[in-house]
Amino acid sequence: DFQMTQSPSSVSASVGDRVTITCRASQDISSWLAWYQQKPGKAPKLLISAASSLHSGVPSRFGGSGSGTHFTLTITSLQPEDFATYYCQQANIVPFTFGPGTKVDIK
Amino acid sequence: QVQLQESGPGLVKPSETLSLTCTVSGGSISGYYWNWIRQPPGKGLEWIGYIYYSGSTNYNSSLKSRVTISLDTSKNQFSLNLSSVTAADTAVYYCARLDEALDFWGQGTLVSVSS
Repeated sequence: DFQMTQSPSSVSASVGDRVTITCRASQDISSWLAWYQQKPGKAPKLLISAASSLHSGVPSRFGGSGSGTHFTLTITSLQPEDFATYYCQQANIVPFTFGPGTKVDIK
Repeated sequence: QVQLQESGPGLVKPSETLSLTCTVSGGSISGYYWNWIRQPPGKGLEWIGYIYYSGSTNYNSSLKSRVTISLDTSKNQFSLNLSSVTAADTAVYYCARLDEALDFWGQGTLVSVSS
């Protein structure tokens, strides 16, 4: 079965820190990779599509890179509103699998 | 601005069918894939399936035998039916639009399976 993995599963960070989250696909998905942010009790919000395209209204401190099987999400200067869980998702091969999530919390 | 809103019962009995509807406003159904995703309490996201505006569907193989997604373009709605539910189907169910990625989401609705 197709698998998406994320690392780390959780990270403790301070405001102003640089945070990097990695997502790996078990098969080549080209650039069909999206990143979402989810806060407790809320629906996920799209941050990045096509591996590196910032969604409308998303702050420029969020950035995505990668292709094939290895992708990263970077937050260059963590803000208080960025403490949340982040999911990657591939939209190349059905089922459109999500990664297990990375929780970013306050150090 | 496209908005999606899920509606349906919050409680379903085991072995019965879970039925939810997603109403799309502020935009057309045409040209997009319309998806259902669920999230069990405290767990991650699971993609259930989609329906294209033309009516073609694709489902997660783990649920395929129990899932039907349908479309009513006259009402700008699409629906989810999940049959023979068990407690493992208890989750927040989201509808969302796919355009390269899931760019617009409903707020989600909690469906509990219990007698």
